[in-house]
Amino acid sequence: GAVVSQHPSRVICKSGTSVKIECRSLDFQATTMFWYRQFPKQSLMLMATSNEGSKATYEQGVEKDKFLINHASLTLSTLTVTSAHPEDSSFYICSASMGQGGYGYTFGSGTRLTVV
Amino acid sequence: GENVEQHPSTLSVQEGDSAVIKCTYSDSASNYFPWYKQELGKGPQLIIDIRSNVGEKKDQRIAVTLNKTAKHFSLHITETQPEDSAVYFCAASRGGSYIPTFGRGTSLIVHP
Repeated sequence: GAVVSQHPSRVICKSGTSVKIECRSLDFQATTMFWYRQFPKQSLMLMATSNEGSKATYEQGVEKDKFLINHASLTLSTLTVTSAHPEDSSFYICSASMGQGGYGYTFGSGTRLTVV
Repeated sequence: GENVEQHPSTLSVQEGDSAVIKCTYSDSASNYFPWYKQELGKGPQLIIDIRSNVGEKKDQRIAVTLNKTAKHFSLHITETQPEDSAVYFCAASRGGSYIPTFGRGTSLIVHP
């Protein structure tokens, strides 16, 4: 089946620094990738939709300058949290679609970001 | 847009009992209903899904039922085991290029 690899699984960074999270589709080409944020004991909050070769579409309330998304190839999307602050600490999860969005929806293993 | 309600938020059962999680959706055009299992510190994993042309689907101890008229679908886990303990999310989608809408999750605890 479809496999989505996400790295790193955990990262601790200092306030003010930037952190990059990678999401790769290993055995299929993902025309669309999605980035979610999940707070403890809560559901998945869609942050943005990343389309290969074009700008990401951000959900309302998500700062595009803080959460930079790049989808440079059909197998790789990156999320960069810029000038991180403690309130950015969260669990970030990517998912990828084979172009059929609602059907072929596979999640990565998630990244636990802690900003100190 | 689509709205998915999921109940209960927490479900505690004894090992060997059955567990049922229920979801309702609002968009009558939704035709794809996946269920995900999320273990602590990991991303959600698809465990079973159903499309609207089917009323029930079963995979070993897991089954999903769909009532399109009432716009609700349920996850049934039989003979629960401690390793079934996790958070379960339901979702609804129109398929195609539509992004699934997720329920708020159910924390299932199976006591040995």
